[in-house]
Amino acid sequence: NAGVTQTPKFRVLKTGQSMTLLCAQDMNHEYMYWYRQDPGMGLRLIHYSVGEGTTAKGEVPDGYNVSRLKKQNFLLGLESAAPSQTSVYFCASSSGDITNQPQHFGDGTRLSIL
Amino acid sequence: TQLLEQSPQFLSIQEGENLTVYCNSSSVFSSLQWYRQEPGEGPVLLVTVVTGGEVKKLKRLTFQFGDARKDSSLHITAAQPGDTGLYLCAGVDSNYQLIWGAGTKLIIKP
Repeated sequence: NAGVTQTPKFRVLKTGQSMTLLCAQDMNHEYMYWYRQDPGMGLRLIHYSVGEGTTAKGEVPDGYNVSRLKKQNFLLGLESAAPSQTSVYFCASSSGDITNQPQHFGDGTRLSIL
Repeated sequence: TQLLEQSPQFLSIQEGENLTVYCNSSSVFSSLQWYRQEPGEGPVLLVTVVTGGEVKKLKRLTFQFGDARKDSSLHITAAQPGDTGLYLCAGVDSNYQLIWGAGTKLIIKP
């Protein structure tokens, strides 16, 4: 009954460091998404994937890269972290596109860039 | 840039009171979703409304989609402490993108 699992849950980085956030889903969903959530703002889509081996840019893709080598995993990378990337990052998955299928979210990764 | 404005941003009321929160835009949406998010967790879908004028009920929660499909409201009857959370609306626009509101933070005091 895991659903969408994000690791790590918390992380503190120094400016310029790199890291990868992992998202794993066990629902055999085709679609996966990475969002960031900042105070006073709605969720903003960073990148998404409509199937294994595919990725696409969302609303705020700059400074991030993603990979979907396996259907169940969606990785979000920060190559050179910046303080503006301090945020809570959410991964979500769905069985179809957002117009007719609900998204299932993980519990988030809280990332601070010093 | 399309905006989905939620109001109020913050609401704190006593248990047993009724409340309504709003989600407004100048854009038309093909559907609109409402989520609840609790601290330390991701959003959880409550309901999706699709048809203009549609009303859906989920126990004490009543969701309405505006006739023009530009706005929506969530009404809670006899609020309980368990209703505390961040309520988010998200609309599917003409480009099949999901546009999110910033949320209404609701606190129900016992």
